[in-house]
Amino acid sequence: LAKTTQPISMDSYEGQEVNITCSHNNIATNDYITWYQQFPSQGPRFIIQGYKTKVTNEVASLFIPADRKSSTLSLPRVSLSDTAVYYCLVGGPVRFGAGTRLTVKP
Amino acid sequence: ETGVTQSPTHLIKTRGQQVTLRCSSQSGHNTVSWYQQALGQGPQFIFQYYREEENGRGNFPPRFSGLQFPNYSSELNVNALELDDSALYLCASSFQVLAGTDTQYFGPGTRLTVL
Repeated sequence: LAKTTQPISMDSYEGQEVNITCSHNNIATNDYITWYQQFPSQGPRFIIQGYKTKVTNEVASLFIPADRKSSTLSLPRVSLSDTAVYYCLVGGPVRFGAGTRLTVKP
Repeated sequence: ETGVTQSPTHLIKTRGQQVTLRCSSQSGHNTVSWYQQALGQGPQFIFQYYREEENGRGNFPPRFSGLQFPNYSSELNVNALELDDSALYLCASSFQVLAGTDTQYFGPGTRLTVL
């Protein structure tokens, strides 16, 4: 199972773009990269998934370099409601890790 | 389309008791996974059921057991409850075509407190 490494916490201000990078050096050929968001006392919510290059949806973008050993979740123009824990998963959903606690300040 | 639901929302038990938590998967999904999330930590994988068969298990003792029914709903059973079992228990459903690519949809969780 690929292990992921993310920053423990990040701070940002409303309206800024936030980039959270995840390292996954031993990602397998068939592994996809998936990001989830979790608010306190709620289940995680799917944000975005990708395999390579760039994926964009209505809430975020995911950048994956050619070697796929890392990925970056980009949240454009964050608001206070984006304050949450963000998890990067590689392959199956088995290993969540501690995630990145994002705090958005006014 | 109905999302993932879990029952009960909250539960208080005493040490040594047994508990059953229930999960209704999202319509069309064939896979259910269970997670334990202690306060301040990420979810820890307990096990996964695919088409009524256990399809993977995390580092949890045998007193954690489960079932998946023909309608793909699921139960998590925990015997001989310990204080450390106090946590938020999350159920997630997905439609698994290729392992590792399915998107999981989580329920709101059951908060279990063991006294």
